[in-house]
Amino acid sequence: EPEVTQTPSHQVTQMGQEVILRCVPISNHLYFYWYRQILGQKVEFLVSFYNNEISEKSEIFDDQFSVERPDGSNFTLKIRSTKLEDSAMYFCASTGQEDYGYTFGSGTRLTVV
Amino acid sequence: QKEVEQNSGPLSVPEGAIASLNCTYSDRVSQSFFWYRQYSGKSPELIMSIYSNGDKEDGRFTAQLNKASQYVSLLIRDSQPSDSATYLCAVRKGSQGNLIFGKGTKLSVKP
Repeated sequence: EPEVTQTPSHQVTQMGQEVILRCVPISNHLYFYWYRQILGQKVEFLVSFYNNEISEKSEIFDDQFSVERPDGSNFTLKIRSTKLEDSAMYFCASTGQEDYGYTFGSGTRLTVV
Repeated sequence: QKEVEQNSGPLSVPEGAIASLNCTYSDRVSQSFFWYRQYSGKSPELIMSIYSNGDKEDGRFTAQLNKASQYVSLLIRDSQPSDSATYLCAVRKGSQGNLIFGKGTKLSVKP
């Protein structure tokens, strides 16, 4: 069964450092998303991406965040200057049709120290 | 008012029983509804989608939707210990847009 692949599975970074989280969505999917889940809290939307541009973003997705699809397969989330409160599990998701449910990747646990 | 509300639980049922999980949502324009299962430390896994009023069955799972009451539910028949997880209700915001998740209901199935 096709999978959404995320790397790394766990990243520890110092406050103020830049991190890049990587995702390989399912190959024939067209819609890509980043969500995050702070420990014990709900899954929160960050950004959606379609046709090589951001289609929607949440209030969480401020100027410190950016997304890119640098080639035909990778989809990245960059956090420019990490804060302690950025510590969370970050999930990439993709879907082939906008109205379908998403397939989530296994997540990257980001720990900011 | 929260956009998607679920009872956090834990909901405890004996093995073989029916587990009933409920969800309400605030956006009347919502048209697509999803149930995800999330094991501790893992990512959400899609188990059901429902778009029309009524029931939709898939194996041991039945999703029920009542748009007039803004209510979605998930029934799990013949519950197994392996069903023990947090069940997330997700609603598509408006007619197109990202999914909004509830906090989830933790289900515990006791052998």
